[in-house]
Amino acid sequence: DQQVKQNSPSLSVQEGRISILNCDYTNSMFDYFLWYKKYPAEGPTFLISISSIKDKNEDGRFTVFLNKSAKHLSLHIVPSQPGDSAVYFCAASAINYGGSQGNLIFGKGTKLSVKP
Amino acid sequence: NAGVTQTPKFRVLKTGQSMTLLCAQDMNHEYMYWYRQDPGMGLRLIHYSVGEGTTAKGEVPDGYNVSRLKKQNFLLGLESAAPSQTSVYFCASSTDRATQETQYFGPGTRLLVL
Repeated sequence: DQQVKQNSPSLSVQEGRISILNCDYTNSMFDYFLWYKKYPAEGPTFLISISSIKDKNEDGRFTVFLNKSAKHLSLHIVPSQPGDSAVYFCAASAINYGGSQGNLIFGKGTKLSVKP
Repeated sequence: NAGVTQTPKFRVLKTGQSMTLLCAQDMNHEYMYWYRQDPGMGLRLIHYSVGEGTTAKGEVPDGYNVSRLKKQNFLLGLESAAPSQTSVYFCASSTDRATQETQYFGPGTRLLVL
C-alpha cells in the first residue's frame, strides 16, 4: 500500500507559467517532507523540504505547501523554466519516531515538461 | 570533491551470477543507503547503514546483502542474480536522517539480469 502518492505521472506547462506538483500521504506519523528533482541518467537531487510544524516553505522560485489535515503537499514553481523539466519525487519520513521510521518513503514521481 | 560515486555504471548479468556494487562518499557522512528504482516506481530502500560496521534492512532487502567495513564505502551484493533484480540502483549518503542535511545521491548503476 502506497504511503506517498503522486497521482499525476506527467505535467506539461508553458515557460513562464506556474507549475504545481501534488503529493498525498497516508501515514499520519510523517513529520518531514522533501522534494527531489531527477534528470535522466543522474541521481536525484534535493530541492526543498518542509517540517510538519510549518505550512509553507519558500526558496527562490520554489515553494512547498503542506496541508496536514488533508495529508497533502504541493510544490509550486514560479516562473517555470525549460531547465525545470525533470522528474520530481515527493518523499516523506517520520523523523521524530526514530529507527526505520526515519527512512524516506518516495512517491512514484511526476515528470514535468516545461515548453518554451 | 566527488560527492557520492558508484561503480560500475552499467552491468549485464546472467541469472544466478553474483556481483557487488560499490558506493563511495567523500563527505564523511555517517548514514548511507541503497535504493532501487524500477520503471514507473519511486525509489525503494533496500538496506541502509547508520555508521561504520552497522547495516539494517529497508523496504525490499530480499536477495541482497550489504557491508559497511569502512565509513566511506557501502557495498551492495547480489549472491544469485534474478531477472526481478533488473533495476537502476542508487546509493545515497547523509550526515543525519533526512532533515536539514538531506541525502546526496550517486549517479546510479543500471543492472540488467538476463
